[in-house]
Amino acid sequence: KAGVTQTPRYLIKTRGQQVTLSCSPISGHRSVSWYQQTPGQGLQFLFEYFSETQRNKGNFPGRFSGRQFSNSRSEMNVSTLELGDSALYLCASRISGDTEAFFGQGTRLTVV
Amino acid sequence: GESVGLHLPTLSVQEGDNSIINCAYSNSASDYFIWYKQESGKGPQFIIDIRSNMDKRQGQRVTVLLNKTVKHLSLQIAATQPGDSAVYFCAEEGFQKLVFGTGTRLLVSP
Repeated sequence: KAGVTQTPRYLIKTRGQQVTLSCSPISGHRSVSWYQQTPGQGLQFLFEYFSETQRNKGNFPGRFSGRQFSNSRSEMNVSTLELGDSALYLCASRISGDTEAFFGQGTRLTVV
Repeated sequence: GESVGLHLPTLSVQEGDNSIINCAYSNSASDYFIWYKQESGKGPQFIIDIRSNMDKRQGQRVTVLLNKTVKHLSLQIAATQPGDSAVYFCAEEGFQKLVFGTGTRLLVSP
């Protein structure tokens, strides 16, 4: 059974640009969550989608957005990138809420 | 507010020792907890979980203990091996999200 797949693995972007990250959950998993991991803030929740609906959103500015498609794949977008957006972005999939969450390898975003 | 904290940022043990990693949580209404292991360059890997109707749960070489009275969670690793070296996170189930602790780095020396 394939795990959670995130693409790309690494990205370097310039301040002011935008970026789109992709996540393919485990087959059959309908819940996809996104987290930002930095050395200073640790793992912070961004948002969660279930059946194409955002059910919860973390405390991040509106520059951070996401969506989920009918096949449960999800994308997150960050517009007007700032240096502080440099982080490891992790995607987690679950069958539904309140069950085991499985993480992908993450996308390492560097903003220069 | 929500918070899940860890008592020790780094734990150093000898190979073969038992390791205990602790975690405090603040939301007494939480009913689901997970421990993750994260190796360098990888995403968090699920280790074991426990629900609030249990005090203890065992896996392969790992045991999670939950003390709801003092809102404390611990992960015990038996016969620690060099491959166990990683950062360990506890996580608390919030509303459709996980609230993570700051993490403990486990260093296993031969």
